[in-house]
Amino acid sequence: EVQLVESGGGLVQPGGSLRLSCAASGFTFSSYNMNWVRQAPGKGLEWVSHISSRSSNKYYADSVKGRFTISRDNAKNSLYLQMNSLRAEDMAVYYCARDPNPGGSYFDYWGQGTLVTVSS
Amino acid sequence: QLVLTQSPSASASLGASVKLTCTLSSGHSSYAIAWHQQQPEKGPRYLMKLNSDGSHSKGDGIPDRFSGSNSGAERYLTISSLQSEDEADYYCQTWGTDNWVFGGGTKLTVL
Repeated sequence: EVQLVESGGGLVQPGGSLRLSCAASGFTFSSYNMNWVRQAPGKGLEWVSHISSRSSNKYYADSVKGRFTISRDNAKNSLYLQMNSLRAEDMAVYYCARDPNPGGSYFDYWGQGTLVTVSS
Repeated sequence: QLVLTQSPSASASLGASVKLTCTLSSGHSSYAIAWHQQQPEKGPRYLMKLNSDGSHSKGDGIPDRFSGSNSGAERYLTISSLQSEDEADYYCQTWGTDNWVFGGGTKLTVL
């Protein structure tokens, strides 16, 4: 059974940093591209970042470019999102999601999310 | 610019059918999309991928009541025999070379 479990969310002050993790199981993690998607309170889904299976390609939404860094450790079956210079508008539930196609496409499995609260 | 447009809300009666629409922006009518369901207070769940030729592939355990179709730049999700648990937000999603896009979502109310 494919499982994605996010962790690392919490309360952080504006300008602060946070590192999210996503633990994957039930599939060969190193063979899949992965993504972070977020959802602000009461809002829709927003794609945040993508990383290819071997970390060779990384892409970011304009809203987080230069502040967030995506990474992965295939030996640990884990995906990460380092978030720096956090702003109020970054407050959201953050989901990790698997992409089943090598070229990048849709998301076929999602985690349950971790909440990031940015407030002083 | 790659954009997906969805109606904010829809409603239908228990046991009836409903057809949700997702419209691709001009110049992108050949793009495939995916449909995702998000029940209240839960994470999203992948429903299906819908190709431009109308073929679709569903996620694990998705019942036959959920089907997809298309017409030009419009992609549809049809839910038949509506059940109370179908009350949820439905998002379409597509992708470009280096970006992934979601529609604004449709909130489905089952009456």
